[in-house]
Amino acid sequence: EDQVTQSPEALRLQEGESSSLNCSYTVSGLRGLFWYRQDPGKGPEFLFTLYSAGEEKEKERLKATLTKKESFLHITAPKPEDSATYLCAVQAWGNNRLAFGKGNQVVVIP
Amino acid sequence: EAGVAQSPRYKIIEKRQSVAFWCNPISGHATLYWYQQILGQGPKLLIQFQNNGVVDDSQLPKDRFSAERLKGVDSTLKIQPAKLEDSAVYLCASSSVLAGVYNEQFFGPGTRLTVL
Repeated sequence: EDQVTQSPEALRLQEGESSSLNCSYTVSGLRGLFWYRQDPGKGPEFLFTLYSAGEEKEKERLKATLTKKESFLHITAPKPEDSATYLCAVQAWGNNRLAFGKGNQVVVIP
Repeated sequence: EAGVAQSPRYKIIEKRQSVAFWCNPISGHATLYWYQQILGQGPKLLIQFQNNGVVDDSQLPKDRFSAERLKGVDSTLKIQPAKLEDSAVYLCASSSVLAGVYNEQFFGPGTRLTVL
């Protein structure tokens, strides 16, 4: 069964204090690894898809990287509006289901 | 482009009552998903439709949950009878398919269900 473990569960950052979120996964044939952002009371918002080890993608202050066992979401010089829960999910070949982790809850303090 | 629409946004019911949720996917998206998200957890897939056919319902509690997607567009998810442990946010998502490859899923705002 596909498994996703995210750490740390919760993180408080000062504005401007860069940090990284970890997503460790086990999957039988990775088709894609997905990062989503979820704000309270809202549905997940798509951020990135990574397909192969070594791939990197960036969006504003966020950068996602992928290895054969884990993915990192780097937050550079975060702002309070980056406060959210970040969800990681994996998708295996032959099975379109997304298996999500529990999320990384990030709070950025002004 | 309009996003995924869901209604109602909130619902409170007594246990053993029935409830239904509605979803309208992004126009042109052939694939529709229903997820259950319990507080503090990531979403868990309940059922996936491709047009109006079921692709994956392996995690759907079929003794009490049912879903349909008539005409391959809107979908409804029903719970009958509801249990306390069904309290959760029910998320609908949709995605397009290109050359047999499913693209990223876009989520609606969800319906928060409280069972008392």
